[in-house]
Amino acid sequence: DAMVIQNPRYQVTQFGKPVTLSCSQTLNHNVMYWYQQKSSQAPKLLFHYYDKDFNNEADTPDNFQSRRPNTSFCFLDIRSPGLGDAAMYLCATSDMGAGGQIAKNIQYFGAGTRLSVL
Amino acid sequence: DAKTTQPPSMDCAEGRAANLPCNHSTISGNEYVYWYRQIHSQGPQYIIHGLKNNETNEMASLIITEDRKSSTLILPHATLRDTAVYYCIVRANFGNEKLTFGTGTRLTIIP
Repeated sequence: DAMVIQNPRYQVTQFGKPVTLSCSQTLNHNVMYWYQQKSSQAPKLLFHYYDKDFNNEADTPDNFQSRRPNTSFCFLDIRSPGLGDAAMYLCATSDMGAGGQIAKNIQYFGAGTRLSVL
Repeated sequence: DAKTTQPPSMDCAEGRAANLPCNHSTISGNEYVYWYRQIHSQGPQYIIHGLKNNETNEMASLIITEDRKSSTLILPHATLRDTAVYYCIVRANFGNEKLTFGTGTRLTIIP
């Protein structure tokens, strides 16, 4: 059974038209991550939530926003997609234990949403 | 700066052991070695991790040199489904340490 679910698997949007990608998890993990992976490149972290605490990477463009309304769901909003934002977007979760210790520090990834910008 | 160095690609015959090397000469005492793999059009998948002792699980074995400056991931009996990009990552196991993916090794299993 899928534990980190991303919908849709494929998303097509128009240049400049806002788009939202969704991620849900059944693991009850307190940390959720969004990565961007462009063709033939490694995944690159955009930001993550530790519970409701949002942590943005320094080089993530303002065009990318995120929302986490509850433990299970996390959304990636791209306010004005450009052609350069076409990529695979990966959601991941991990479980951070008490005191900031991570027992195994394993991240569980969804299958990703492939975004095309026309 | 890249914390790990991996060969860009490797081939391995089906049924043989696949040995994937990783150099991490600047690893700190509190950093673990993690391995993930990414099969085409899927999200990365955790394989194994270790600090200084060799580790084995149902997927693979991890051999870490005594000085911890390099490691080898071993897939004992490679199958075609093991064809993927394999990422070696070093990270501390506390706080909010993130995964920083390098370029990885593209492993191709040959029938």
